[in-house]
Amino acid sequence: IQLTQSPSLLSASVGDRVTLSCKGSQNINNYLAWYQQKLGEAPKLLIYNTNSLQTGIPSRFSGSGSGTDYTLTISSLQPEDVATYFCYQYNNGWTFGGGTKLELK
Amino acid sequence: EVQLVESGGGLVKPGSSLKLSCVGSGFTFSSHGLHWIRQAPKKGLEWIALIYYDSRNKYYADSVKGRFTISRDNSKNTLYLEMNSLRSEDTAMYYCAKGGVTIAAPAYWGQGTLVTVSS
Repeated sequence: IQLTQSPSLLSASVGDRVTLSCKGSQNINNYLAWYQQKLGEAPKLLIYNTNSLQTGIPSRFSGSGSGTDYTLTISSLQPEDVATYFCYQYNNGWTFGGGTKLELK
Repeated sequence: EVQLVESGGGLVKPGSSLKLSCVGSGFTFSSHGLHWIRQAPKKGLEWIALIYYDSRNKYYADSVKGRFTISRDNSKNTLYLEMNSLRSEDTAMYYCAKGGVTIAAPAYWGQGTLVTVSS
C-alpha cells in the first residue's frame, strides 16, 4: 500500500486549526498511525488505529478517517508543533507516507 | 522507562557487510515484537523489518529482502540487523522501535545509528 501525504509543506499561524491529509492506494481498514518528527530527533507516535491518542500526547491532536482517506488535525497550533508529520499504515505490510513539513507563518 | 539503544553504525564500502545491535531495557524484552526503520539523509521514513517476540515470524521490506536479516537474542535483550551487500542507497539513520498498544505501530524508538555506504 502506498501512502500520499498532502500538502508536502504547510505554513500556519499559532492558534490555527491545521489539517494534514494521508491517502492510501488501497483500503487501510483504519490501521493508520501518525508520527511527529522534530529536527534531529526520533519520530514520536501521536495517533494509532486512526483516532486513538497515544499516552502523553496533547488533546489538541486528533485523527479521523476511513477507507483510503485519513486526517490528522491540530485544533490550535502551538510553536512546539513545528515538525514533519508522517502517516503510517499497517493493514497490509508496513508503509510510511512521504511526510508533511509544518512550519510557522 | 522503555529505552532502546542502537549501535554498530559506521562508514563502509559498497558491497560490504555490517551488523547493527539494539539493546532494550525497561520492559520485558522477550515479550515484544521489534522493528527496524531507517531514514536516509533529509528523506522520509522507511520501514524495513519486523521480528516477533519469539523469532518465529520475520518480515522484510522488498528493498532489503535477501540482503538484510533481523534477529534477536532474548537472553541478552538485544535486537540485531545483519546487513549484507550494502549499497549507497542503504545510507541512512537506522532506528529500532517497539510497538505500544499494537505491535504494528512503533511507540518507542531508539536514538538511531548512522550507516554510511560510500567508496
